[in-house]
Amino acid sequence: AQKVTQAQTEISVVEKEDVTLDCVYETRDTTYYLFWYKQPPSGELVFLIRRNSFDEQNEISGRYSWNFQKSTSSFNFTITASQVVDSAVYFCALNDYNTDKLIFGTGTRLQVFP
Amino acid sequence: EAGVTQFPSHSVIEKGQTVTLRCDPISGHDNLYWYRRVMGKEIKFLLHFVKESKQDESGMPNNRFLAERTGGTYSTLKVQPAELEDSGVYFCASSHIAGGGADTQYFGPGTRLTVL
Repeated sequence: AQKVTQAQTEISVVEKEDVTLDCVYETRDTTYYLFWYKQPPSGELVFLIRRNSFDEQNEISGRYSWNFQKSTSSFNFTITASQVVDSAVYFCALNDYNTDKLIFGTGTRLQVFP
Repeated sequence: EAGVTQFPSHSVIEKGQTVTLRCDPISGHDNLYWYRRVMGKEIKFLLHFVKESKQDESGMPNNRFLAERTGGTYSTLKVQPAELEDSGVYFCASSHIAGGGADTQYFGPGTRLTVL
């Protein structure tokens, strides 16, 4: 069965610290996509990144970076020099290749204190 | 370009009542999805429309839930009669292309449903 695990329920850091959010997934598909979404206090889900299973290159976007490792079935997300505005719940998700539905983890709540 | 919109943002109803949630996808997106997050748990898939057709409704919890997408534009999700366990946040998402994650699903702000 397909599954996404975000073992960290809540993380608290002080501004300017680096923080890594873990995501481990399970799938039997050889082709799949992984996603990260951010849910700020306002409630909407904001798309951050989509990564396909054939592209294992790490991605960097400003202070955000993602480390995709097929060998460990992980797709971790790092925020460098965190800011208070980064406070949110972050969801990792896996796309079911056959049905197109997203399978989400339970989310990690990140609190960044000034 | 307007994003996915949902109405209402909040709804508080009593057990046994009916509630209808609405979702307007991004213009031009044929694919529309409904998801739900019950308190503290993961966001779970409910169903997927391609235009006006139900492509996958495997996540619908029971026959008290009815989703429609007349004309292939906006969608409604009706809960009748509502039960306590239906409380949660209902998200709608849309995408241009369907199939194996080929496109990103963009989400709306959600409707928070509270059943008392």
